[in-house]
Amino acid sequence: DAGITQSPRHKVTETGTPVTLRCHQTENHRYMYWYRQDPGHGLRLIHYSYGVKDTDKGEVSDGYSVSRSKTEDFLLTLESATSSQTSVYFCAIKGQARGTDTQYFGPGTRLTVL
Amino acid sequence: KQEVTQIPAALSVPEGENLVLNCSFTDSAIYNLQWFRQDPGKGLTSLLLIQSSQREQTSGRLNASLDKSSGRSTLYIAASQPGDSATYLCAVVIQGAQKLVFGQGTRLTINP
Repeated sequence: DAGITQSPRHKVTETGTPVTLRCHQTENHRYMYWYRQDPGHGLRLIHYSYGVKDTDKGEVSDGYSVSRSKTEDFLLTLESATSSQTSVYFCAIKGQARGTDTQYFGPGTRLTVL
Repeated sequence: KQEVTQIPAALSVPEGENLVLNCSFTDSAIYNLQWFRQDPGKGLTSLLLIQSSQREQTSGRLNASLDKSSGRSTLYIAASQPGDSATYLCAVVIQGAQKLVFGQGTRLTINP
């Protein structure tokens, strides 16, 4: 347990609506990540952050934006949700505050876009 | 582009056996490699991390090895138990990057 929470844990929404997922950490880690997990594709990086207001794109960033205004919170926004964004979303941190490069994952958010 | 492959995709063995899970990667310029387990409907649990300068890491009944030159890692599980049933994922961090690239996982079933 690396003190990572995600909210909401489950969400059902309709195509075209905006959605924001929240990742919260309690250990002051610098690096935070958003991944999505899909059958047949595995886990893929969407965006990551290396500090407050410092973010970069991952492999599958189209249709997603992120923000990090505080060390502890990393937000993922789907500007206009589509059915292809139905997935399980995982937040992760790199444990440098624990003196390790290990990445620790949150419990996930299951998002369904109808 | 770094690609990570895990074979087999699924494995079923009787309880008590020792077993090996395989992971291969196409670019040997990695910073580290990490093994995870994932239970159905759950998040990922980190098992072991091997830095690029290391050859192996051990934790309890688990031993992970790394051969960077051949682009391979193995996860050895000794005396398997039904509680070891899960999907096992390996992932690499490329040098100069901060991002994990995942394999698709091996779904392991230990039969009592």
